[in-house]
Parts: sequence; structure tokens; C-alpha cells
Amino acid sequence: GAGVSQSPSNKVTEKGKDVELRCDPISGHTALYWYRQSLGQGLEFLIYFQGNSAPDKSGLPSDRFSAERTGGSVSTLTIQRTQQEDSAVYLCASSQRQGGGYGYTFGSGTRLTVV
Amino acid sequence: AQTVTQSQPEMSVQEAETVTLSCTYDTSENNYYLFWYKQPPSRQMILVIRQEAYKQQNATENRFSVNFQKAAKSFSLKISDSQLGDTAMYFCAFMDQETSGSRLTFGEGTQLTVNP
Repeated sequence: GAGVSQSPSNKVTEKGKDVELRCDPISGHTALYWYRQSLGQGLEFLIYFQGNSAPDKSGLPSDRFSAERTGGSVSTLTIQRTQQEDSAVYLCASSQRQGGGYGYTFGSGTRLTVV
Repeated sequence: AQTVTQSQPEMSVQEAETVTLSCTYDTSENNYYLFWYKQPPSRQMILVIRQEAYKQQNATENRFSVNFQKAAKSFSLKISDSQLGDTAMYFCAFMDQETSGSRLTFGEGTQLTVNP
């Protein structure tokens, strides 16, 4: 596609429920990133996929968070047993390839509200 | 670990004037990249400008320019002839690909308001 697409745009869920957030990167971009942006704060790295390599999961805040990337394209971030502190905007970004200092192209994010 | 600091949580400027946003970073690496991103209310992060650390010349993109001081680890953004559409949150970001892949580390952001 022309840009990075994220769905849903907004999600309200009850505490304790599981949620799935989807990211469709730019075609041909081999690197995909998930970041979390809490209200009024900067971006916190969550996870990074590069081609067929094992993902860098070092930013995931707890074992309730997981992500996968199927076929080197679409990625899904799953949060199990959601808590109120999970409320944030979840941003996905993709990049042409690792290295070279290429900036990312971001999606518009999913605003998650846990009530 | 790298850190990025933006010491100005909020700034305002009159339309058509010039404003400078500050950013400092901490790293022991020699090769890296620096970025400024803009985030309007639509939430989408937009790349404003990019600087390669090995280049001494400051990057410029139309009304946007940077003052890159490598020794001081400073990377400020200057916006000339400010426009109402420049109102947004601005994030400074660091990328050190040698030790952390292509992960971007962001500052806390500066909310810029351009007043008519």
C-alpha cells in the first residue's frame, strides 16, 4: 500500500480482555517496529522484526504482550488480560531495510482504552 | 544505552517568526543518525529532517534546518517563517545501528504552538 495501515483506529476494551492490533506495512519494507505512546509522553520501543530474523522483543513490558509477523508482511500485536496501564496509542512503523539510517514510515496508530 | 533529552515540554511562536527546539543525546558511539519527527493531532509521525553524524554539514529541508554539534551532542531544530500548520508535537530521535539494529530512541517531545 501507499502507507503503513493500522487497525482498528480506536479500541475500547474491558479490563481483563484480550486485544489484537494489526499493522500492514509498506510493501517491500523488511523492517517493522511497534512502539507505545502513553498520554503526553514519548515513544517506548516494544518489538522489532527484520526480515526472517528472530524478532527483538526486548521492549515488551510483560509476558502479556506478544507479536508476530506473518509472511514478512502483516504484523499483529496481542495484549492478553489487558490492564488499565495498557491504555496508550500503539504505533507501528516500517523501514526499507536495516542500516543506512533510513527513517521510519509510521502508521496513524491504534488508541487503546482499557476501562 | 542511548538517551535523548528534550528540555522544552512546550513552546510557542508567532506566525512567520523563527523558533528553535532543543535536543541533546548521550552515546558512546561514533556513527549514528539523528532525526526530527512531527506529530500533529492526527497522531501520524512525520519525518521532518535527518542528519548523518559523520557529515559536518547541517541538514536543511526548506524552512527546517538543524544545528548539529557533535562534540556537544546537541541537535536543535530551527523552523523559519513558522506557519499555523507547524503546530504539533516534535520529537527528536537517535538511531545507532551498530549496537541496536535500526531502533529509534525518542525524546519526550516538545509541543509547539504557532499563534496567528
